[in-house]
Amino acid sequence: GNSVTQMEGPVTLSEEAFLTINCTYTATGYPSLFWYVQYPGEGLQLLLKATKADDKGSNKGFEATYRKETTSFHLEKGSVQVSDSAVYFCALIETSGSRLTFGEGTQLTVNP
Amino acid sequence: GAVVSQHPSRVICKSGTSVKIECRSLDFQATTMFWYRQFPKQSLMLMATSNEGSKATYEQGVEKDKFLINHASLTLSTLTVTSAHPEDSSFYICSATIVSYNEQFFGPGTRLTVL
Repeated sequence: GNSVTQMEGPVTLSEEAFLTINCTYTATGYPSLFWYVQYPGEGLQLLLKATKADDKGSNKGFEATYRKETTSFHLEKGSVQVSDSAVYFCALIETSGSRLTFGEGTQLTVNP
Repeated sequence: GAVVSQHPSRVICKSGTSVKIECRSLDFQATTMFWYRQFPKQSLMLMATSNEGSKATYEQGVEKDKFLINHASLTLSTLTVTSAHPEDSSFYICSATIVSYNEQFFGPGTRLTVL
């Protein structure tokens, strides 16, 4: 079956530090990959996505590249802000309209 | 576009009562809706997949008589927690999608507290 593995958290950084949250996946086909962000007490918001190998998703300074050879989709940001503090989920969909498979989530805290 | 709403956002009820949570797709017709449950500091756990006009498909370990799901139209799905108990207290999140689209759109979640 499909699975998504994220780096263990929590992650604590100072403002303007570089962020990497690792995500690797296992899938039988060619999934679409997603990063979602969840702020306290809220639902999930799509941060970025990539639908095929070598695609780069980007949004709000965050980036992730779909690496088929390493089955990875690591999230990066060059300079984090306090407002980026949230939980980040890596996820995949294998077939349109089907279920999402989520990683465990990574709590990010950015200190001023 | 692609907005999903949930109502209520927060509900507190007494043990033994039933609670209904609504999930609506506001600007598109959702062929499939999903219901998730999230415990504190954990990932989302899929409870069931709901297709308009047909019975929901429940994940293993989820009691279908406890968590009643109705998807009567392409814009509305409801989750009813029957005879709620304190262990049902959780954050419930729905999502909606279109069959040909490879993205899910999430609602803001409903915080259920059972006293």
